[in-house]
Amino acid sequence: EPEVTQTPSHQVTQMGQEVILRCVPISNHLYFYWYRQILGQKVEFLVSFYNNEISEKSEIFDDQFSVERPDGSNFTLKIRSTKLEDSAMYFCASSGIRTDTQYFGPGTRLTVL
Amino acid sequence: KQEVTQIPAALSVPEGENLVLNCSFTDSAIYNLQWFRQDPGKGLTSLLLIQSSQREQTSGRLNASLDKSSGRSTLYIAASQPGDSATYLCAGDNNAGNMLTFGGGTRLMVKP
Repeated sequence: EPEVTQTPSHQVTQMGQEVILRCVPISNHLYFYWYRQILGQKVEFLVSFYNNEISEKSEIFDDQFSVERPDGSNFTLKIRSTKLEDSAMYFCASSGIRTDTQYFGPGTRLTVL
Repeated sequence: KQEVTQIPAALSVPEGENLVLNCSFTDSAIYNLQWFRQDPGKGLTSLLLIQSSQREQTSGRLNASLDKSSGRSTLYIAASQPGDSATYLCAGDNNAGNMLTFGGGTRLMVKP
């Protein structure tokens, strides 16, 4: 069964460093999403992406964040200058059409020291 | 702004019991309501999606209902098993499938 994959599973970085989290959505899906979950808190929406542009973003998704689909398979989330409060589990999701089920990847645990 | 609440936060039941998990939302203009399962330290597994025009969905021992007028969704688990132990999350979107707003989850433990 097709699934969303994410790499790395765990990333440790120093405050102020740039990180890139990678996702491979399900191959025929067109809509892509990033969410995050700070330990013990709710899952929060960050951004949605369709047709090579951002379709919606939350207040969390400020200028430090960017997304890209560099080729036909990968979908990346970049954090330019990480802060301690960026430590969280980051989930990528994809859906075939806008109103369909969103399928989530296993997540990348980001730890900022 | 949509707010999603799940009560109780934790639930412990003996194996074999039928149980209901509750999800409430503040904005009745919800479009889709999706239920997920999350195992500790893992990703989210989609269980059921109820679209705006539907009132319920079933998959195996799971049945989810949606009542937009009362702002509620329920997930019914029949004949619970220890393998059902996990956190169950509900999430709704208001604008045709884009941003999901999540509840805080119900942590379920099914005792053998």
